[in-house]
Amino acid sequence: NAGVTQTPKFQVLKTGQSMTLQCAQDMNHEYMSWYRQDPGMGLRLIHYSVGAGITDQGEVPNGYNVSRSTTEDFPLRLLSAAPSQTSVYFCASSSKYSRNGNEQFFGPGTRLTVL
Amino acid sequence: RKEVEQDPGPFNVPEGATVAFNCTYSNSASQSFFWYRQDCRKEPKLLMSVYSSGNEDGRFTAQLNRASQYISLLIRDSKLSDSATYLCVVNKGNAGKSTFGDGTTLTVKP
Repeated sequence: NAGVTQTPKFQVLKTGQSMTLQCAQDMNHEYMSWYRQDPGMGLRLIHYSVGAGITDQGEVPNGYNVSRSTTEDFPLRLLSAAPSQTSVYFCASSSKYSRNGNEQFFGPGTRLTVL
Repeated sequence: RKEVEQDPGPFNVPEGATVAFNCTYSNSASQSFFWYRQDCRKEPKLLMSVYSSGNEDGRFTAQLNRASQYISLLIRDSKLSDSATYLCVVNKGNAGKSTFGDGTTLTVKP
């Protein structure tokens, strides 16, 4: 099991550019989420999904789009990058059937800098 | 007011010390509670779930008080390897929508 994988690990964008952060999980988890973490802060939820074809907004969704066409993949799209989106992005998956009651498994993160 | 609030820290303690972290949450509909550990620039990992009856895992003890909406983590006999940021996490349901505290940083010194 690879668990949760994210690509790329690092990315530098110019203001106004768009890009997609990739996230995949091989644990057949029904839930997937995207968080951002700014320096000295906890994680804030951007978007989440409860299953293929179903997504919803989290706490800080503006400037981001998601889709979930398969159970495994949950890409995050930055529509027009802004310096305020400089952050570390974590993807996570979880299942209501897990032994620890909805424990979230995180990917290694994508460190994004917007110039 | 933030939905999940933690001691701001940082905590700097000698090896062998006992240290306690506190966390409060504001949403009484919260259903499940966790402590995660995050090492510098890495992804968070589950340390332990937290139950009303209290639970212990080796040197770590977690407590939940639903009436006071308060969660705690106690670390006994601190080790250098315990140095990390500890995140208090609250879920309102099963949808993977977790709310994180800002974390408390612990440094254990020789």
